Amino acid sequence: DAGVIQSPRHEVTEMGQEVTLRCKPISGHNSLFWYRQTMMRGLELLIYFNNNVPIDDSGMPEDRFSAKMPNASFSTLKIQPSEPRDSAVYFCASRLTGGNEQFFGPGTRLTVL
Amino acid sequence: DAKTTQPNSMESNEEEPVHLPCNHSTISGTDYIHWYRQLPSQGPEYVIHGLTSNVNNRMASLAIAEDRKSSTLILHRATLRDAAVYYCILRDVRTGNQFYFGTGTSLTVIP
Repeated sequence: DAGVIQSPRHEVTEMGQEVTLRCKPISGHNSLFWYRQTMMRGLELLIYFNNNVPIDDSGMPEDRFSAKMPNASFSTLKIQPSEPRDSAVYFCASRLTGGNEQFFGPGTRLTVL
Repeated sequence: DAKTTQPNSMESNEEEPVHLPCNHSTISGTDYIHWYRQLPSQGPEYVIHGLTSNVNNRMASLAIAEDRKSSTLILHRATLRDAAVYYCILRDVRTGNQFYFGTGTSLTVIP
């Protein structure tokens, strides 16, 4: 198994541009999580899906952020428009319902200039 | 979500045991105790979890206090590859699947 796959691994963009981060969970896992990590705020849960349905998006910072999961094997996190304070490492994780372990991807390092 | 308190940093000599403490005085009866670690430039990875009894696996041991208000992650022989940030997390099985990571303990292993 390839594990959780995220793309791109690095993204550099200018303020105001749209950014789309992608995640492919482990096959068979039906819970998916998006996290953001910064030095100031640590690791924050943004949103999580169960069976492709968003269950808790209370961590999404503002309307500029949106997440979708059109099918069981793909999710996106979009920022539009991006701002310098969005610069962070974004992690995707997946979990099998009933399991205790979340499996994290390698992360996407986003830099907004 | 119940909160955990961990020391910001700890040091250990290589090949010696390491005891990483975590306080969770407001833990509820349905909170599981999870430990994850994050190696430099990687995503977090699962280490161990437990509810009431002590737990052992190939990576570590988890010792849970009788009143469950604290726990200790034990690495039996620290290696340089164990240098990471270790997170102690409570997960309430009633309310969902969410993890809320605190600041963790940064472990330095001295050769």
